[in-house]
Amino acid sequence: DAGVTQSPTHLIKTRGQQVTLRCSPKSGHDTVSWYQQALGQGPQFIFQYYEEEERQRGNFPDRFSGHQFPNYSSELNVNALLLGDSALYLCASSFFSGTGGLKLFFGSGTQLSVL
Amino acid sequence: AQTVTQSQPEMSVQEAETVTLSCTYDTSESDYYLFWYKQPPSRQMILVIRQEAYKQQNATENRFSVNFQKAAKSFSLKISDSQLGDAAMYFCAYPTGANSKLTFGKGITLSVRP
Repeated sequence: DAGVTQSPTHLIKTRGQQVTLRCSPKSGHDTVSWYQQALGQGPQFIFQYYEEEERQRGNFPDRFSGHQFPNYSSELNVNALLLGDSALYLCASSFFSGTGGLKLFFGSGTQLSVL
Repeated sequence: AQTVTQSQPEMSVQEAETVTLSCTYDTSESDYYLFWYKQPPSRQMILVIRQEAYKQQNATENRFSVNFQKAAKSFSLKISDSQLGDAAMYFCAYPTGANSKLTFGKGITLSVRP
């Protein structure tokens, strides 16, 4: 049973460019959340997708957008990259109607460097 | 707004000894969950333990246990018989809603001395 998979593992971009990160959730999960983790900090919630719609959004500008596909996989897009967007981007999956609190399963992340 | 505070940036423990990592949080909700996550150098966040706020009993998972003080809004993680593989960053986290986002603390870097 594959866990949460993210691609690519590392990415280098220059300021102003656009980037797309990809995530496949754990088998049986229907909800995908994205987090940004700056160096030495805890992850910050970007947004959550369920039934191909954005359900929740954190305090991130509109340059950050996403998409969820019918197979529950998801993409995170960032436009007009800034140096401050350099971070580890974590994808987490869960079962929307699951009981027992929010049990997230995380991928290993995509390390984005903006030069 | 819900906040999670981890005031100790780094801690060190001798192998086989016990260490306690501190966390405080702020919420106005009465029923909620609290989590501790481990992030080793591989960067993958791994769920260590989960506590249900309405349960009086502290959660335990093998060598990991929590000291949950609801009135004080304190949620500390105790690691017994520390092993070299326990070296990692540890994050305390609080969910806002049953199926919503997690708010994480800044994390604690734990090193284990052989």
